[in-house]
Amino acid sequence: SQQGEEDPQALSIQEGENATMNCSYKTSINNLQWYRQNSGRGLVHLILIRSNEREKHSGRLRVTLDTSKKSSSLLITASRAADTASYFCALGGTGANSKLTFGKGITLSVRP
Amino acid sequence: EAQVTQNPRYLITVTGKKLTVTCSQNMNHEYMSWYRQDPGLGLRQIYYSMNVEVTDKGDVPEGYKVSRKEKRNFPLILESPSPNQTSLYFCASSLQGASMGRLFSYEQYFGPGTRLTVT
Repeated sequence: SQQGEEDPQALSIQEGENATMNCSYKTSINNLQWYRQNSGRGLVHLILIRSNEREKHSGRLRVTLDTSKKSSSLLITASRAADTASYFCALGGTGANSKLTFGKGITLSVRP
Repeated sequence: EAQVTQNPRYLITVTGKKLTVTCSQNMNHEYMSWYRQDPGLGLRQIYYSMNVEVTDKGDVPEGYKVSRKEKRNFPLILESPSPNQTSLYFCASSLQGASMGRLFSYEQYFGPGTRLTVT
């Protein structure tokens, strides 16, 4: 099954800066989701964008989806030290089951 | 409070000693899934269930079993654990949607994880 490929693998920024993370994929999707994981803990859902949507916002998060390029980006504005975590994109497929396939994740470090 | 619980949170065991990791959700979700997380490999799905008595293999099912006798519970069974099953395990659940005859998953709620070491 396909897996989203996140880019970059690691990102280090200063507090207050914006962080942009990308996810690319190869086949059709029903939706694309972003999750955050603090070290060793369970994943927390951030935002879901459907294949017929182009942009969604949630607080300081902005997600875009370009189905023609098969890519998505997650933008965190005005980052905080508490945003330090791993971020995963997950693909909701169009197959017979409702499986989500997770990428390998992006490590974000926000320096105070 | 809506949540997914897993037990135990930490487990150290020896090769070949059968073990069960329990997972329970209180949100009446149809879909439940088990993942393992290993450094550099991300999350890989072990098994999933789309409803009671409906389970299927994920990407890495070898060495694992599951059952779904009740909607809220989805235990993961390792009949004969081996060192290569040392990993961080997550259970997750979600509602399911349907569109044009196909199912899709909404946001998944994750348990806190079970760190398993097999020596």
